Amino acid sequence: NAGVTQTPKFQVLKTGQSMTLQCAQDMNHNSMYWYRQDPGMGLRLIYYSASEGTTDKGEVPNGYNVSRLNKREFSLRLESAAPSQTSVYFCASSTGKLWESTDTQYFGPGTRLTVL
Amino acid sequence: SQQGEEDPQALSIQEGENATMNCSYKTSINNLQWYRQNSGRGLVHLILIRSNEREKHSGRLRVTLDTSKKSSSLLITASRAADTASYFCATVEAGSARQLTFGSGTQLTVLP
Repeated sequence: NAGVTQTPKFQVLKTGQSMTLQCAQDMNHNSMYWYRQDPGMGLRLIYYSASEGTTDKGEVPNGYNVSRLNKREFSLRLESAAPSQTSVYFCASSTGKLWESTDTQYFGPGTRLTVL
Repeated sequence: SQQGEEDPQALSIQEGENATMNCSYKTSINNLQWYRQNSGRGLVHLILIRSNEREKHSGRLRVTLDTSKKSSSLLITASRAADTASYFCATVEAGSARQLTFGSGTQLTVLP
């Protein structure tokens, strides 16, 4: 049981290049999330997927796209990377059973992305 | 925009002492959660307190919630060097049901 896995761990891009960050979870969770964390700040939500087949924008979606490939996998794509997207990206998942008021999130180890 | 603000931003204590971190938030909430992040790692959930609860314990952790003041505190008793990490509060806004909004965190250093 690996929990939430992310690839790659590190990536350096040049401005204008594109890439996809991969995320997978093996906990049979319904909901998945992408966050970015900038130095000295908390996490900000980029996109989330409440359940397979649905995606919604979070607080900072501009410049990103997502795909919920199946229940396990949720990818984040940068179509044309910009230096402002230099950050650490975290994927998370949760059961999505919000009515229980105990829905907590499980995080992957993060991807450190630098855009030159 | 960030919902929660932690105070202090950084805290340094000796092993064995207690550490207290505070979190303030802006809107009505469904629940409030505390997470720990070790350097270079992902976040780990510590404890959740519902809006109708005032205090909760888990091992050496004690969380309080005051919805009238829109604030919460996390107390770590008998701290250890391994508690060195950043601690974040996160809220689920009442009615939004889904999104966690994180504060900017408290960096705790426990000196051996």
